[in-house]
Amino acid sequence: AQTVTQSQPEMSVQEAETVTLSCTYDTSESDYYLFWYKQPPSRQMILVIRQEAYKQQNATENRFSVNFQKAAKSFSLKISDSQLGDAAMYFCAYRNGGANSKLTFGKGITLSVRP
Amino acid sequence: DAGVTQSPTHLIKTRGQQVTLRCSPKSGHDTVSWYQQALGQGPQFIFQYYEEEERQRGNFPDRFSGHQFPNYSSELNVNALLLGDSALYLCASSFFQQIYGYTFGSGTRLTVV
Repeated sequence: AQTVTQSQPEMSVQEAETVTLSCTYDTSESDYYLFWYKQPPSRQMILVIRQEAYKQQNATENRFSVNFQKAAKSFSLKISDSQLGDAAMYFCAYRNGGANSKLTFGKGITLSVRP
Repeated sequence: DAGVTQSPTHLIKTRGQQVTLRCSPKSGHDTVSWYQQALGQGPQFIFQYYEEEERQRGNFPDRFSGHQFPNYSSELNVNALLLGDSALYLCASSFFQQIYGYTFGSGTRLTVV
């Protein structure tokens, strides 16, 4: 079974600074996908960024980027130029390749942004 | 274009009762998955429905059951409620053949007293 581990329950960052959220995962599959989701107080899960395991290049979406270390099974999220609206819970998630595979989530990390 | 709609938003039930939660998927999506998110935890997969059949199931007891209707909407039923069933229940819709493109609803907060 696949597992996703987020060992930092909380982190804090100063507005405009950079913060990195850590995630490790365990799988024996070769075809899989990794995601970071944001859950604000509205409770809706919002996709921040995704990474295909077969791609060596790290994914980037505006201020959000990942450091994907496949051999180490590590998938960290870097948020640059942090904004007050970035404050939320962030979840790392794993999905096997193929249709209809489920998402496996980590426990999440609460990110606060100091003005 | 409407996203995923879940109802009700909040619900309080007594231990031993039964509850039904509802989900309308995003337009164009044909697959619905349900997740349970306990307070301070990540979501846990309950089951997934496609073509009105349960396609996958997580590690949840038979007290948890579901249904998908011809219009792709779905219900989650929980019988004999326990205090430990108190959680946020999230519905996510997707298109069966797509790897990406999950859309989540805002969930139903169930409190069992």
